[in-house]
Amino acid sequence: EAQVTQNPRYLITVTGKKLTVTCSQNMNHEYMSWYRQDPGLGLRQIYYSMNVEVTDKGDVPEGYKVSRKEKRNFPLILESPSPNQTSLYFCASRPRGGVKDTQYFGPGTRLTVL
Amino acid sequence: GESVGLHLPTLSVQEGDNSIINCAYSNSASDYFIWYKQESGKGPQFIIDIRSNMDKRQGQRVTVLLNKTVKHLSLQIAATQPGDSAVYFCAENGGRGGKLIFGQGTELSVKP
Repeated sequence: EAQVTQNPRYLITVTGKKLTVTCSQNMNHEYMSWYRQDPGLGLRQIYYSMNVEVTDKGDVPEGYKVSRKEKRNFPLILESPSPNQTSLYFCASRPRGGVKDTQYFGPGTRLTVL
Repeated sequence: GESVGLHLPTLSVQEGDNSIINCAYSNSASDYFIWYKQESGKGPQFIIDIRSNMDKRQGQRVTVLLNKTVKHLSLQIAATQPGDSAVYFCAENGGRGGKLIFGQGTELSVKP
């Protein structure tokens, strides 16, 4: 089944404790991205990657890092999480080019930073 | 700056009625628009899309209308069902490809 998976789905952590949220897609998509979703603010892009070893900042990259060593994986790294990073995070992927730019979203990771 | 916004944050309809969810966008360079449905506890799910060279596109029970003159997008759901209850987002690509700009969402509630 074609899908985007994220792990963990739920995470509660404390300020300053490094964490990684994994994202994997099995559709051989070139493009992957991370969003955070907050009430009243909608979905905002954190980082995106056009292909392996190619990453760029989205609208709200501060406090986050990403890497794209393999095509299928795009982990989101919080080196020193803070309470304002408490949010719902979505990973998404899409193929480059083609008729559609449709992005396929993962199920989400709910992060709470105490 | 660029923005995509929804006129109504909540919409309540009776089962069987038609639903219309509206969206305004501000970037004239946007050439691709998508409607997503997000059910509670899940990620956004693609519903239907439309390119700027079209005014209307129909899917199964859904129709998207694009009015470029007033930068307005709407999603029409025919014969709304309880399973349609969700938050609906419009998104535009700003003409840049890849990056999507999302509206805040409209919550659709279907009453049995």
